Amino acid sequence: DTEVTQTPKHLVMGMTNKKSLKCEQHMGHRAMYWYKQKAKKPPELMFVYSYEKLSINESVPSRFSPECPNSSLLNLHLHALQPEDSALYLCASSPTGTGGYGYTFGSGTRLTVV
Amino acid sequence: QQQVKQSPQSLIVQKGGISIINCAYENTAFDYFPWYQQFPGKGPALLIAIRPDVSEKKEGRFTISFNKSAKQFSLHIMDSQPGDSATYFCAASGNFGNEKLTFGTGTRLTIIP
Repeated sequence: DTEVTQTPKHLVMGMTNKKSLKCEQHMGHRAMYWYKQKAKKPPELMFVYSYEKLSINESVPSRFSPECPNSSLLNLHLHALQPEDSALYLCASSPTGTGGYGYTFGSGTRLTVV
Repeated sequence: QQQVKQSPQSLIVQKGGISIINCAYENTAFDYFPWYQQFPGKGPALLIAIRPDVSEKKEGRFTISFNKSAKQFSLHIMDSQPGDSATYFCAASGNFGNEKLTFGTGTRLTIIP
């Protein structure tokens, strides 16, 4: 299995809702990532997990809460989002210690905040 | 120092022509340079990648040229096809103790018949 699977593919949520994005990989990768991508822009790194521990938080607002329950799963919990948080949220995984080699992205969750 | 500059922002090429996208970096500690292809509504997919110990890498119609002294690298797409129409991102990373990718700003490529 060489895929990163993200669910749901599309999500519409109100500003008072709580929702979660899910990501799963079975490639044995021990680094997992959340990226945010706005239209016509490159992906922006949000969080990095290495060996199930949060290693990088790129000053992301607390309304985004990541969780890594095990080496195959990554969640992003969403609460009290703003319309400007509407974007494509990408999960990725890679082996560790390879300096970027083997990065694999999921297809993303298209999030719309209303 | 962590930036990767990419040009052009958009590119229109006739079918069968050569598409060329350029990137430049500052940080000499970067040692891995991938190119990603992204279709609308999809995640980026690795197209081809190079390390600085080689000056060129070719995979099918896709070639990366790498100039270490100039700190530049480019993607050439030979015999460009309408199915190549997508957004292309160059990126760079290094062994900094994390696996962070630094992306270029992207090039929107359109292949016209």
